Amino acid sequence: EPEVTQTPSHQVTQMGQEVILRCVPISNHLYFYWYRQILGQKVEFLVSFYNNEISEKSEIFDDQFSVERPDGSNFTLKIRSTKLEDSAMYFCASSALRGGTDTQYFGPGTRLTVL
Amino acid sequence: KNEVEQSPQNLTAQEGEFITINCSYSVGISALHWLQQHPGGGIVSLFMLSSGKKKHGRLIATINIQEKHSSLHITASHPRDSAVYICAATYNTDKLIFGTGTRLQVFP
Repeated sequence: EPEVTQTPSHQVTQMGQEVILRCVPISNHLYFYWYRQILGQKVEFLVSFYNNEISEKSEIFDDQFSVERPDGSNFTLKIRSTKLEDSAMYFCASSALRGGTDTQYFGPGTRLTVL
Repeated sequence: KNEVEQSPQNLTAQEGEFITINCSYSVGISALHWLQQHPGGGIVSLFMLSSGKKKHGRLIATINIQEKHSSLHITASHPRDSAVYICAATYNTDKLIFGTGTRLQVFP
């Protein structure tokens, strides 16, 4: 069964460093998302992406964050200068149709630890 | 404000028990989603519904549009059902707005 994959599974970085989290969505999906979950808190939406542009972003997704689909398979989340409060589990998701009325399939997550 | 509220926060059951998890939401949803988060953190979509009832194996999800309420039921619960169950909603956009989750533990 097709699945969303994410790499790395765990990333440790120093505050102020740039990190890139990578995702490979399900191959025929068109809509892509990043969510994050701070330890002990609920999952929060970061950004949605369709047709090579951002569809919607949350207040969390400030100028330090960017997303890109550099080729036909990868979908990346970049944090330019990490802060301690960026430590969280980051989930990529994809859907075939608009995620408002279609199932979103989640990757296993990347645990980001900022020291 | 578009919100999703879940109850209970924690739930303990004996194997075989019937389990109900509740979710209430604000007016105007496009769809209501139930997801399962495993102890390792992975998230799996269980159901998406906008009306009525859906069933998959021992899991049943219902939604009452008038009361802005949804329930997830697990029949004949088993220890492998132990996980966090999350209710989420979409409101005319593609982003999922998550509830805080219900941590379920089923003991043999």
